[in-house]
Amino acid sequence: DTEVTQTPKHLVMGMTNKKSLKCEQHMGHRAMYWYKQKAKKPPELMFVYSYEKLSINESVPSRFSPECPNSSLLNLHLHALQPEDSALYLCASSLGQVGYEQYFGPGTRLTVT
Amino acid sequence: QQQVKQSPQSLIVQKGGISIINCAYENTAFDYFPWYQQFPGKGPALLIAIRPDVSEKKEGRFTISFNKSAKQFSLHIMDSQPGDSATYFCAASRSSNTGKLIFGQGTTLQVKP
Repeated sequence: DTEVTQTPKHLVMGMTNKKSLKCEQHMGHRAMYWYKQKAKKPPELMFVYSYEKLSINESVPSRFSPECPNSSLLNLHLHALQPEDSALYLCASSLGQVGYEQYFGPGTRLTVT
Repeated sequence: QQQVKQSPQSLIVQKGGISIINCAYENTAFDYFPWYQQFPGKGPALLIAIRPDVSEKKEGRFTISFNKSAKQFSLHIMDSQPGDSATYFCAASRSSNTGKLIFGQGTTLQVKP
């Protein structure tokens, strides 16, 4: 089973709202990722967690706050977003951070109004 | 040096034909080359991947050809079907580094019935 699940599927939020995206995998993977994808563009890496510790932060604005409560869960907390943050947010996981296949979830379609 | 250049940007193929998508890279330290398939509104799905110790890898109708000296790799889809219509992304990473995937810009494939 190579399933990564993400909730919610769609999210509409105002610029003053606080919301969270959730990602879950039960494949025993120890690396988890957040990507942002704009229409007709490749995914852009935002954060990487390896063994529940933040390993990579690609200079993402502080209005995006990741959290890895345990090895199966990854959250992305959103606060005071801008309309340009509207995008498909993808979670991925891999057995380890380096040299392993990354498996993506279906994504959360975020619209900031 | 971190770029992966993908071509063509879009491709139209008749059903039963061969679809060919090409990628080129500069960083000789890259040692893992996956291809992802993405349908509209869905997350990218790992299709096939290759490492530099082999020149070709085949899985069903999908084949990766790898030319280490030319720093190029390509995806061939044999007997293309309308269900293959999707966006395809090549990627590359260094297992001696962070393992971060560097994506190509994507190719939109349309297979006409």
